[in-house]
Amino acid sequence: GAVVSQHPSWVICKSGTSVKIECRSLDFQATTMFWYRQFPKQSLMLMATSNEGSKATYEQGVEKDKFLINHASLTLSTLTVTSAHPEDSSFYICSAEGGGITSGRRETQYFGPGTRLLVL
Amino acid sequence: ELKVEQNPLFLSMQEGKNYTIYCNYSTTSDRLYWYRQDPGKSLESLFVLLSNGAVKQEGRLMASLDTKARLSTLHITAAVHDLSATYFCAVAGNQFYFGTGTSLTVIP
Repeated sequence: GAVVSQHPSWVICKSGTSVKIECRSLDFQATTMFWYRQFPKQSLMLMATSNEGSKATYEQGVEKDKFLINHASLTLSTLTVTSAHPEDSSFYICSAEGGGITSGRRETQYFGPGTRLLVL
Repeated sequence: ELKVEQNPLFLSMQEGKNYTIYCNYSTTSDRLYWYRQDPGKSLESLFVLLSNGAVKQEGRLMASLDTKARLSTLHITAAVHDLSATYFCAVAGNQFYFGTGTSLTVIP
């Protein structure tokens, strides 16, 4: 089946530094990838939709200058948290879409294992 | 905006008992997903329900979809401790809309 990896699994950094998280589709090409964040005991919150070769689409309230997304190839999307602060500490999960949009509806998403970020 | 609500939010049940988790959504969709999440882990896909009346079963879990009622259920039969996790439903629209999650604890 479709496998999505994330790197790193855990990262602890100092406040003010930047952190890059990679999301890879290992055995399929993903035109679209999604970035979510999840706070403890809460559901997933979509941050942005990443399309290969174009600018990411950010959800309302998500700072695009703080959460830089690059989708340089059909198998790799990166999320960079710039000038991280303790409130950015969270669980970040990416997903890759198995197909395109069908009649305005998204196709099956395959989720990565997540990256836990702790900003001190 | 499509809204997805799950009920209950928290559930503690004894081993061997049955229970049903409900997922209601606000607008028309014919594609619904159920996921399991263990503490500290990402999502594990359980079921994909693609049409009205779809029913899928895997082990002690059975999921169904009623698109007319905009309702999906996840039924747990004879619960065991290994089923303890958080369960999310998600509805596919122009993006994936996740439910609030149901935290299940199965106690001996």
